[in-house]
Amino acid sequence: KQEVTQIPAALSVPEGENLVLNCSFTDSAIYNLQWFRQDPGKGLTSLLLIQSSQREQTSGRLNASLDKSSGRSTLYIAASQPGDSATYLCASEGAGGTSYGKLTFGQGTILTVHP
Amino acid sequence: GAGVSQSPRYKVAKRGQDVALRCDPISGHVSLFWYQQALGQGPEFLTYFQNEAQLDKSGLPSDRFFAERPEGSVSTLKIQRTQQEDSAVYLCASSLGGNSPLHFGNGTRLTVT
Repeated sequence: KQEVTQIPAALSVPEGENLVLNCSFTDSAIYNLQWFRQDPGKGLTSLLLIQSSQREQTSGRLNASLDKSSGRSTLYIAASQPGDSATYLCASEGAGGTSYGKLTFGQGTILTVHP
Repeated sequence: GAGVSQSPRYKVAKRGQDVALRCDPISGHVSLFWYQQALGQGPEFLTYFQNEAQLDKSGLPSDRFFAERPEGSVSTLKIQRTQQEDSAVYLCASSLGGNSPLHFGNGTRLTVT
């Protein structure tokens, strides 16, 4: 059974810092790895999706990398802003015929960026 | 509407009551998912529909949980004889299917007292 772990559980940084969120998974047979953002009382917003054949994806100040062999992904946020404050979740989608949106999530990293 | 709509936003039930949670997916989305998110945790998969067919219900925690999507659009998640451990946010997501991204609703927060 796939297990996804995120470190750290919480992170508080001053505005402007570059930061890295970590995600590890136990089963490397994944179809893709996704990063989501969740604001309090809201659903999940997809940030980046990395297919299993890819190494990284970038969107604006966000960059996500994937190392399947070591079971790791990182989300890099450049020049953090208070508006980046949210919970960040990573999720793997299984391979082998189960790749239809059945995601296994980590427990999330709560990010606070203070002015 | 433009997004996935869930109702009610909040539900308080006394232990032992039955509840029904509704999900309106994005029009035309074939795939629909239910996830359960306990406080401080990531969402956990409950069940998956492709049109009206429930293709995977492996995540439903007990036979008190039942989901349906009779016309391949709106879905209802029903929990019978609610227990305190059922307290969580229930998230619905839909997609066009295949490799399309999931679109999540804002969830229903269920509190069982």
